Amino acid sequence: LAKTTQPISMDSYEGQEVNITCSHNNIATNDYITWYQQFPSQGPRFIIQGYKTKVTNEVASLFIPADRKSSTLSLPRVSLSDTAVYYCLAHYGGATNKLIFGTGTLLAVQP
Amino acid sequence: DAGVIQSPRHEVTEMGQEVTLRCKPISGHDYLFWYRQTMMRGLELLIYFNNNVPIDDSGMPEDRFSAKMPNASFSTLKIQPSEPRDSAVYFCASQSWEDGDEQYFGPGTRLTVT
Repeated sequence: LAKTTQPISMDSYEGQEVNITCSHNNIATNDYITWYQQFPSQGPRFIIQGYKTKVTNEVASLFIPADRKSSTLSLPRVSLSDTAVYYCLAHYGGATNKLIFGTGTLLAVQP
Repeated sequence: DAGVIQSPRHEVTEMGQEVTLRCKPISGHDYLFWYRQTMMRGLELLIYFNNNVPIDDSGMPEDRFSAKMPNASFSTLKIQPSEPRDSAVYFCASQSWEDGDEQYFGPGTRLTVT
């Protein structure tokens, strides 16, 4: 049974690097992992996606180890405005063909 | 583009009533998703369409829920009859096949069933 789990919450301080991990089983080589950010009373907003070992864009990096049983969202230097809930989305392809959101991680950034 | 549009933004109804939620996806997107979000269960995929055809409705909780996409610019999610446990925020999202899993979410409809 496909399942995607994350830590419930994390604390950080402004300027620090934050790494949020998502555990997902049975991800195939070409299956995408996508991360979203959600503020209160808003819909989730895309941050980054990929299926290779490392992907980087202007706001974040995504790391997927060789065993593909987890992925890590890395936010290089967080600010107070990064306080939000972060969700990973695992696309289980092949015969499963399911899109399953993780449980969400509340990131609280303090001054 | 105005983004994904959902209506109404808030809906309060009594148990047993029919509820219809509406969604207008981003023009040119060929995938449309309906999600439900609650504190207890998080974000749940209910159903998604590709080119107006339902592809996976395994997340639809029961027969009281139904979704349609009569054309590329409109979709509805209907609950009949509604129950208090259906209270949640319902999101619609759309996506282009060219963008992997980069979905664009609407602002959501907050449904309260009393």
